[in-house]
This record gives sequence, structure tokens and C-alpha cells, in this order.
Amino acid sequence: QKEVEQNSGPLSVPEGAIASLNCTYSDRVSQSFFWYRQYSGKSPELIMSIYSNGDKEDGRFTAQLNKASQYVSLLIRDSQPSDSATYLCAVNIRTGANNLFFGTGTRLTVIP
Amino acid sequence: DTEVTQTPKHLVMGMTNKKSLKCEQHMGHRAMYWYKQKAKKPPELMFVYSYEKLSINESVPSRFSPECPNSSLLNLHLHALQPEDSALYLCASSQGRGGTQETQYFGPGTRLLVL
Repeated sequence: QKEVEQNSGPLSVPEGAIASLNCTYSDRVSQSFFWYRQYSGKSPELIMSIYSNGDKEDGRFTAQLNKASQYVSLLIRDSQPSDSATYLCAVNIRTGANNLFFGTGTRLTVIP
Repeated sequence: DTEVTQTPKHLVMGMTNKKSLKCEQHMGHRAMYWYKQKAKKPPELMFVYSYEKLSINESVPSRFSPECPNSSLLNLHLHALQPEDSALYLCASSQGRGGTQETQYFGPGTRLLVL
């Protein structure tokens, strides 16, 4: 059973639309959740972190966490072509250790 | 400043070569990580160093040998690699205070090709 699951996509949205990226995780003791953006050939870049249930907003990005449903999402408002990348959901699963498990990533394409 | 640097950016090596990857951070972080990422796959954890001591080894073959000479540097020594070891090798660091709410910051990676 995969510990962190994402829809691999590709997800295509028109410029200016809202892109919605979803992630589920299997370990109920998971404490910390991260969204990384990775452009082709580049390294992962942190977009958002979230630790508590609810929403966390940073500019055009909103992370949503629902621990009861073991679900975390990332919304990108007013999507831009520069947002086209693979978005990796990462979960810290082992309590007491900083060990990130990554989902397979969702490839997002924003169409001008 | 959240910069992690890695050298070299690209490396081509034969299966009998010995080479090393280097990673450096000056953020005062005490935890450093090596990940391996194959094309279209997520990063896979290889090693974790906490306060210069190896704390996690994810059953990595012995042809990969990590070294943490000090709190700012992390090396990965490579010997007798196989073509399937070709990948992007990522270094990351975090504060290392323990707990799970730490953010890991990644370096740009070294793209390794084993011939």
C-alpha cells in the first residue's frame, strides 16, 4: 500500500483558472505536510507547509488539510504558465524523525 | 538564505570509477539528507545525518558511502556503480531540532550518468 498518493495527471488548466491538486496519505500519525514544486530537470522547491487542520494561504497558494480524512490539497489561484511543473506532496510519517515520504507528483500544465 | 549547494552539477563515470558528490549549507542546519530521484519518480531517501552522525540508512547498497565531515558538509562517495544508478542525486538540509515540523531545503542536485 502506497503511503502517499497523488493523481499523476497530467492536469491541464487554462491561464487564470484555479488548479486543484490532491494528496492522500495512509499513516494516521502523520504530523507534517509539504507541497514542493519541481520544474523539469530541477530540484524540488518548497511551496507550502501545513501542520494543522484547515486552510493556510500564501499568496496565490492555499493548502488544505483534513487529518480525519487523511487528505491534503493545494489550490493555485489565477494559474500562470510559470506554474507549469510537477507538484510533489510530502508527508512526514515517522514520529520523532524527520523522514519525508513523497507522492509520485502531479504534473500541472497551465495553458496560455 | 535557504541555499544548499551541490557539486558537481553533472557527472559521468564508468563502472570502475570512484567519484564523490559534495553538498554544503551555511544555514546552521544540523540535519542533512541524500535523496536519489529517477526520471518521473519522486525523490527516494537514501541517508540522513543528524548532528554529523548517520541516523537513517535506507538499505542503500554499499557502493554508496556517505560522509559528514562537519555540520556544513555532506559527501556521497561512489564506487563501482551500475548503469541503473544513473539518476539525479539531491541533497537537503533542515534545522535538525527534532520533531516533525521541520522543512527540508533541497540543493540543485547532481545529475549522474553511469556508463
